[in-house]
Amino acid sequence: DTAVSQTPKYLVTQMGNDKSIKCEQNLGHDTMYWYKQDSKKFLKIMFSYNNKELIINETVPNRFSPKSPDKAHLNLHINSLELGDSAVYFCASSQDRGLREAFFGQGTRLTVV
Amino acid sequence: GESVGLHLPTLSVQEGDNSIINCAYSNSASDYFIWYKQESGKGPQFIIDIRSNMDKRQGQRVTVLLNKTVKHLSLQIAATQPGDSAVYFCAESPGGGTSYGKLTFGQGTILTVHP
Repeated sequence: DTAVSQTPKYLVTQMGNDKSIKCEQNLGHDTMYWYKQDSKKFLKIMFSYNNKELIINETVPNRFSPKSPDKAHLNLHINSLELGDSAVYFCASSQDRGLREAFFGQGTRLTVV
Repeated sequence: GESVGLHLPTLSVQEGDNSIINCAYSNSASDYFIWYKQESGKGPQFIIDIRSNMDKRQGQRVTVLLNKTVKHLSLQIAATQPGDSAVYFCAESPGGGTSYGKLTFGQGTILTVHP
């Protein structure tokens, strides 16, 4: 009964492809996030949704499009993948917008070749 | 832009020793700080947090100290165990406004505990 689950855990794809990463949380939290962690372990927020509403949208290429069908799900779709998109993507959720005691998923390691 | 950084990227200690991980932040508007632990192949895990109206907060074997004067945050781990080996991140967030809920993470410190 994983709290925040992401699929797939690993994703290897060619440049130019379109891919999606799915995230689901069963904690009843109102807020969900996508973070990107680069090869130097630096974590940076990409998006935040509160009750299906986008509240944080960092300077992310518009090839990245989050979609929240309901407050328990926040998926990340990436168009026209580039080599620089290779990273580990983490989904997280928290009860409120403050990220207090946020729960992170296991991450999706995306490799673009 | 504003950023959060760490002084020591790596820290090696012996089992049973106390560990201190430091973090400097530059955003004077930050009023909420969190420490996360990330084990290999896993997502970050919440350890402890502190608000700017506090100087110190204690948890189980961990203590966070906040010095707003010099914008410095530290995480102290007592009686460090091999299971504490991980990457530790500090993160900060402003109290309100349009950036509410946005966490800025520091670089990360690799803690290695030797048996």
